[in-house]
Amino acid sequence: AQSVTQLGSHVSVSEGALVLLRCNYSSSVPPYLFWYVQYPNQGLQLLLKYTTGATLVKGINGFEAEFKKSETSFHLTKPSAHMSDAAEYFCAVITSDSSYKLIFGSGTRLLVRP
Amino acid sequence: KAGVTQTPRYLIKTRGQQVTLSCSPISGHRSVSWYQQTPGQGLQFLFEYFSETQRNKGNFPGRFSGRQFSNSRSEMNVSTLELGDSALYLCASSLEARKPTGELFFGEGSRLTVL
Repeated sequence: AQSVTQLGSHVSVSEGALVLLRCNYSSSVPPYLFWYVQYPNQGLQLLLKYTTGATLVKGINGFEAEFKKSETSFHLTKPSAHMSDAAEYFCAVITSDSSYKLIFGSGTRLLVRP
Repeated sequence: KAGVTQTPRYLIKTRGQQVTLSCSPISGHRSVSWYQQTPGQGLQFLFEYFSETQRNKGNFPGRFSGRQFSNSRSEMNVSTLELGDSALYLCASSLEARKPTGELFFGEGSRLTVL
């Protein structure tokens, strides 16, 4: 069975600082991995995804993530945090078989200090 | 292009009642998924429909049901409501056909409060 674990339910950074949100996955088959963001009182929005190919993927709003098979990780980073990045971030996994459901992590709330 | 529309956005029910939530997907999207979001359990998959057929179902009791219409619009129903059903119910649509891509477009959700 697939699963994702997000380390840290809350992460606080200063504006302009590096953002690092951690995600580790468990999957017996090659996974598809995703990061979604949820702003207050809104639904989720896809930030980026990894399926196959290049292990460093770039997403919207300056975010990127690197798939590391040896570490079973898919951490999300952004070089410089903006106040507008404050939101909850979810890592998710889906398998490349016939499953049509995303398995989400528990989420990490990012706080950006002025 | 209009996004995923969910109605109602907010509703309050009492225990034992039933509720129906509606979801209109993005035009051209034929797959609709439903997720329940609570502070304690996080995001949990309810079910997924494609061309009026349920393809996947999560681990929820039979009180939770859904359907999809020929125009891809979907509804979910929860009968005999319990306090623990209070949650944000999110609908998501996608272009999934034969192979899942995981790229979901979410609505803003229907927030259900059960008293």
